[in-house]
Amino acid sequence: EPEVTQTPSHQVTQMGQEVILRCVPISNHLYFYWYRQILGQKVEFLVSFYNNEISEKSEIFDDQFSVERPDGSNFTLKIRSTKLEDSAMYFCASSEVGGETQYFGPGTRLLVL
Amino acid sequence: AQTVTQSQPEMSVQEAETVTLSCTYDTSESDYYLFWYKQPPSRQMILVIRQEAYKQQNATENRFSVNFQKAAKSFSLKISDSQLGDAAMYFCAYRSFRGAQKLVFGQGTRLTINP
Repeated sequence: EPEVTQTPSHQVTQMGQEVILRCVPISNHLYFYWYRQILGQKVEFLVSFYNNEISEKSEIFDDQFSVERPDGSNFTLKIRSTKLEDSAMYFCASSEVGGETQYFGPGTRLLVL
Repeated sequence: AQTVTQSQPEMSVQEAETVTLSCTYDTSESDYYLFWYKQPPSRQMILVIRQEAYKQQNATENRFSVNFQKAAKSFSLKISDSQLGDAAMYFCAYRSFRGAQKLVFGQGTRLTINP
């Protein structure tokens, strides 16, 4: 069964450094999403992406964040200058156009020191 | 804006028994989708069940079923014949039918299965 994959599974970085989180959505899906979950808290929406542009973003998704689909398979989330409060689990998800269900990847655990 | 509330931070149940997890939501929309996701210790988000608001019939998936009360804006999850592998964090989520595709999650309920 097709699944969303994410790399790396864990990332440790120093405050102020740039990180890129990678996702490979399910191949026939055209909507892509990033969510984050701070430890012990609920899952929060960051951004959705369709047709090579952001379709919606939350107030969390400020200028420090960017997304890109650099090729036909990868979908990336970049954090330009990480802060301690960016430490969280980051989930990528994808869905078909018109599909109501989003399928999640296993997540990347980001720790900012 | 839509909100989702799960009022039970923790629940526990004996193996093979039935447990119900509660979820309420607030929306002014008439068409939407509701979901239950499971997050085991591995922290992957796994879809358990979904419900379309325009369908009156409650969704079922094997041992999992929902009680969808549209007027009350309530969407509870019933797990029958609980198994040790059901132990996880369960999140209720809302998605608009049109427009915004984002999922709005509740705070989660941690379910423990007692052998």
